[in-house]
Amino acid sequence: DAGITQSPRHKVTETGTPVTLRCHQTENHRYMYWYRQDPGHGLRLIHYSYGVKDTDKGEVSDGYSVSRSKTEDFLLTLESATSSQTSVYFCAISESGQPQHFGDGTRLSIL
Amino acid sequence: AQSVTQLGSHVSVSEGALVLLRCNYSSSVPPYLFWYVQYPNQGLQLLLKYTTGATLVKGINGFEAEFKKSETSFHLTKPSAHMSDAAEYFCAVSEAGANSKLTFGKGITLSVRP
Repeated sequence: DAGITQSPRHKVTETGTPVTLRCHQTENHRYMYWYRQDPGHGLRLIHYSYGVKDTDKGEVSDGYSVSRSKTEDFLLTLESATSSQTSVYFCAISESGQPQHFGDGTRLSIL
Repeated sequence: AQSVTQLGSHVSVSEGALVLLRCNYSSSVPPYLFWYVQYPNQGLQLLLKYTTGATLVKGINGFEAEFKKSETSFHLTKPSAHMSDAAEYFCAVSEAGANSKLTFGKGITLSVRP
C-alpha cells in the first residue's frame, strides 16, 4: 500500500543473531517510522526519521537501531536479537508528519 | 503526554446493526485524531482523521466519527454493519506539528455475525 515495501515479510532467527529489516518507499515522503505490534499493546513507535540521516527514538527504542542513507530506505537493526523482540514490525511513511501510511508488516520470530 | 483508551478488546454485532467503537484520548494540546483498520495479515489502513474544522468526520466504507472536546472522545460509528467490516480497529492521537508522534490505543476487534 502507498508504495511501501517491507522485506523480508517473514523471518525466523535465533537469539543473539543480528537482524535487519528493510522498508522501501516509492513516494518520496520525508518521514518514515518503525513500529512493533504486540497483542494487548497496539502499535508502539520504535524509531522514526524526518530526513536522510535524521532519526530519533520512539517509545520502545532499546535494543534497536536505525539508519536512513537514502530517502527511500529506512533500515531497522536488532544488533543481538532476543525473544522479547518477537513481534510484527510495521513501517509507515508520511509526507508531512500526519497522516501515516503503513506497509504490510514483517513477522519476526526469535527462537 | 498523550494517551488513548479503547475500552474492551472485542465487540460483536449482527450484520445490519449499528457499529459503535469507543475511543477516549488524553492530550495537553488540541489533538489530531485518527481511526485505522487492520484486516488479517495486512497493515493498517487509514479510515478517517480529524485535524481541525468540522467535528463530524466521514471516512471510507461508510464510517464516521465525531470529535467531542468536552468528553475527550472520538467514537467511531457505522449505521449498518457488513460482514466485510470484521477487522481490528485502532484509534490514535497526535499533537499538531510535523514531528509529533502518533500514539495508538490497544485496538478493538470487531466481529460481525450473519
